Amino acid sequence: DARVTQTPRHKVTEMGQEVTMRCQPILGHNTVFWYRQTMMQGLELLAYFRNRAPLDDSGMPKDRFSAEMPDATLATLKIQPSEPRDSAVYFCASGNRGTTNEKLFFGSGTQLSVL
Amino acid sequence: AQTVTQSQPEMSVQEAETVTLSCTYDTSESDYYLFWYKQPPSRQMILVIRQEAYKQQNATENRFSVNFQKAAKSFSLKISDSQLGDAAMYFCAYRSGYGGSQGNLIFGKGTKLSVKP
Repeated sequence: DARVTQTPRHKVTEMGQEVTMRCQPILGHNTVFWYRQTMMQGLELLAYFRNRAPLDDSGMPKDRFSAEMPDATLATLKIQPSEPRDSAVYFCASGNRGTTNEKLFFGSGTQLSVL
Repeated sequence: AQTVTQSQPEMSVQEAETVTLSCTYDTSESDYYLFWYKQPPSRQMILVIRQEAYKQQNATENRFSVNFQKAAKSFSLKISDSQLGDAAMYFCAYRSGYGGSQGNLIFGKGTKLSVKP
């Protein structure tokens, strides 16, 4: 079965350290999303790519977060420097925009703990 | 801005019984989609069911069905013959059919469903 792959599954780091999360979207999908899930805020959109171009990153703190798609098989979300309030589960999702039955497929998430 | 509200933080159902999870949304758009996602303890977000706003017929997927009331902006999920594996967090989500962020899902806060044997 085709699936979205996220690495690492868990990450524990200290405040101030750089964190990079990776996502391999499903082959052939043209949209990639990054979501953050916390108990307080629920699921929030951080960034949205279509055909590798960023369309919306308004939900992302620009001073410390960055999202890129260096190629069609890799999306990255970087936090530098990390802070305890960044502790959350980060999900990547991919889909095929423009199809009649478009669905978003989610990865298993990266659980980030910043101490 | 669009919002999605799930008023039931937790629900419980007896195995083999039926349960309905509530969801309301607010939008001024006419073109949109609604979804229910399931998140088990494994964290994986799994699409349960999808409804296009232009369709009057309620979507069904095996034991899962929705009651889509467009005028009332209500989108409830009914799970029939509940199974232990249905225990999970359930999220209602909205997606606009317009604009540059038309692929973005807006989620409710979720309902935690427990299934009692």
